Amino acid sequence: GAVVSQHPSWVICKSGTSVKIECRSLDFQATTMFWYRQFPKQSLMLMATSNEGSKATYEQGVEKDKFLINHASLTLSTLTVTSAHPEDSSFYICSARALAGQYNEQFFGPGTRLTVL
Amino acid sequence: SQKIEQNSEALNIQEGKTATLTCNYTNYSPAYLQWYRQDPGRGPVFLLLIRENEKEKRKERLKVTFDTTLKQSLFHITASQPADSATYLCALGPARQLTFGSGTQLTVLP
Repeated sequence: GAVVSQHPSWVICKSGTSVKIECRSLDFQATTMFWYRQFPKQSLMLMATSNEGSKATYEQGVEKDKFLINHASLTLSTLTVTSAHPEDSSFYICSARALAGQYNEQFFGPGTRLTVL
Repeated sequence: SQKIEQNSEALNIQEGKTATLTCNYTNYSPAYLQWYRQDPGRGPVFLLLIRENEKEKRKERLKVTFDTTLKQSLFHITASQPADSATYLCALGPARQLTFGSGTQLTVLP
């Protein structure tokens, strides 16, 4: 149980284009989903927290107009990187917190490797 | 500001030995402390959670301790195996906002 999927697992795009990453909780409902980015040999940095049906809360320094988050249902959140540039190349990971999580852990997706040329 | 430090970037041990990883934190009083495993190119996988009022938690070959006075958690893997090689992350905070350490890369040598 508690499986989170991400799609795509990797994507290469040209500078200036937009890329959408999907995060789904497969076997549970998630009131809250989180988006992280991770650079090589560095820790996960929280970008934003999204709650189903409401606007995402962005961490300081994260441009909300550049990283659009939509949490349309209790099982799906999307992150759109708009007008991507090479510096946006990174590993993006989502996680989900169960509706009634006993232990309050987050369940992570496998990540999406974004490369912007 | 909150700060989390994991004692070493990399740790090599011999198969069968006990691996001990350290997580120290400052300017914070977390209600929970969690440990995750991350393999290259993959998302973290939850291992153990320990609450502030718990001293120790075990799960199979894993053991976590939590000392709120020292502001430190120790993560032990007993009878280590090459398959345990991965990066281990500690994370603090309530589930609504976890803060991660930078991780310790463990290599278990056969």
